[in-house]
Amino acid sequence: EAQVTQNPRYLITVTGKKLTVTCSQNMNHEYMSWYRQDPGLGLRQIYYSMNVEVTDKGDVPEGYKVSRKEKRNFPLILESPSPNQTSLYFCASSLTPQGAKDTQYFGPGTRLTVL
Amino acid sequence: QKEVEQNSGPLSVPEGAIASLNCTYSDRGSQSFFWYRQYSGKSPELIMFIYSNGDKEDGRFTAQLNKASQYVSLLIRDSQPSDSATYLCAVNGYSSASKIIFGSGTRLSIRP
Repeated sequence: EAQVTQNPRYLITVTGKKLTVTCSQNMNHEYMSWYRQDPGLGLRQIYYSMNVEVTDKGDVPEGYKVSRKEKRNFPLILESPSPNQTSLYFCASSLTPQGAKDTQYFGPGTRLTVL
Repeated sequence: QKEVEQNSGPLSVPEGAIASLNCTYSDRGSQSFFWYRQYSGKSPELIMFIYSNGDKEDGRFTAQLNKASQYVSLLIRDSQPSDSATYLCAVNGYSSASKIIFGSGTRLSIRP
């Protein structure tokens, strides 16, 4: 079954404690993205990756890091989380750049709360 | 001005009626237009995409695109309670043909 998985699904943490949200896809897609979703603001892109070792900033990259060492995995790293990073996070993958000509497949989401 | 604008709703429509969802975008160079459906607590899923001016039909769903007016809409015929969800409009962005910009979504409620 084609899917994007994320872990953890729910996370409560404290300010400044480094965390990683993992993302993995089994569709051999080259393109992967991270989004955050906040009420009234829609989905905003944090980072995206065009292939292994190729990443670029999206609209709201401050406070986040990513890496793409393997094609299937695209972890999101918060080195020093702050309360304004409390949000719902989605990982997505697609055949074409960010789903420009097809769909993006979204993971189930990670609800992060930073106290 | 937001790049992709949608009325946040909620839009309430009686079961069996036509639901009409609207979206405007700011970049005249946009090429690809998408409608995603998102149930509460779930991830978005693509239901329609359109590239050319005019209408595109898929079952009960019709996407309409008017590039001159920078307007894209989604019509849902014979609305069902299972259509109750948030509908996200997405447009490929102004800075690159590969960047997708999402609207904030319209919450649709189908009342029995």
